[in-house]
Amino acid sequence: NAGVTQTPKFQVLKTGQSMTLQCAQDMNHNSMYWYRQDPGMGLRLIYYSASEGTTDKGEVPNGYNVSRLNKREFSLRLESAAPSQTSVYFCASSRQRSEAFFGQGTRLTVV
Amino acid sequence: RKEVEQDPGPFNVPEGATVAFNCTYSNSASQSFFWYRQDCRKEPKLLMSVYSSGNEDGRFTAQLNRASQYISLLIRDSKLSDSATYLCVVTPRGEYGNKLVFGAGTILRVKS
Repeated sequence: NAGVTQTPKFQVLKTGQSMTLQCAQDMNHNSMYWYRQDPGMGLRLIYYSASEGTTDKGEVPNGYNVSRLNKREFSLRLESAAPSQTSVYFCASSRQRSEAFFGQGTRLTVV
Repeated sequence: RKEVEQDPGPFNVPEGATVAFNCTYSNSASQSFFWYRQDCRKEPKLLMSVYSSGNEDGRFTAQLNRASQYISLLIRDSKLSDSATYLCVVTPRGEYGNKLVFGAGTILRVKS
């Protein structure tokens, strides 16, 4: 039972480097999400995709871009990483108005 | 004002205690409500959905008060294994459908 798969699990970047976080789900969900979680801040929505071909900004989109490649995959790209983007990133998917299922997270450190 | 607000705690309770968490939300047209549990440095997992009539799952009871715009979670007979962060989740009604908005979480520590 794969559910939601995120890669990589850990990453260290230097300031200014770029990278893409990958996310795939096998539950045929329409909606997919990227969140970041910082100590004491809870989960904050970066971007959201209600369906294949659509994306929308969440609470903290600056410095990120996303691609909903197909129904299964939703990637998050950092074009020029900054130390403020050090965080744990979670991808999630859901059916409309139903509970979300999460990937195991990516722990990103930007030095 | 944040869309979803929770008391961060921590709530420190002895085993066997009953503990309750509240969560308030600002969008009166919100449609779906959930409680998630998150263990340290792991992904959040659904604990239970919250229905208008209230619902119970074993030692856990969730209630929704639409008039006052809050949801609650009651845990009876607390176990050490209940120690975690509990996240309130709301689906606001909006242009873009069902984005899930999380509260910052309430920390529960159950001690022997």
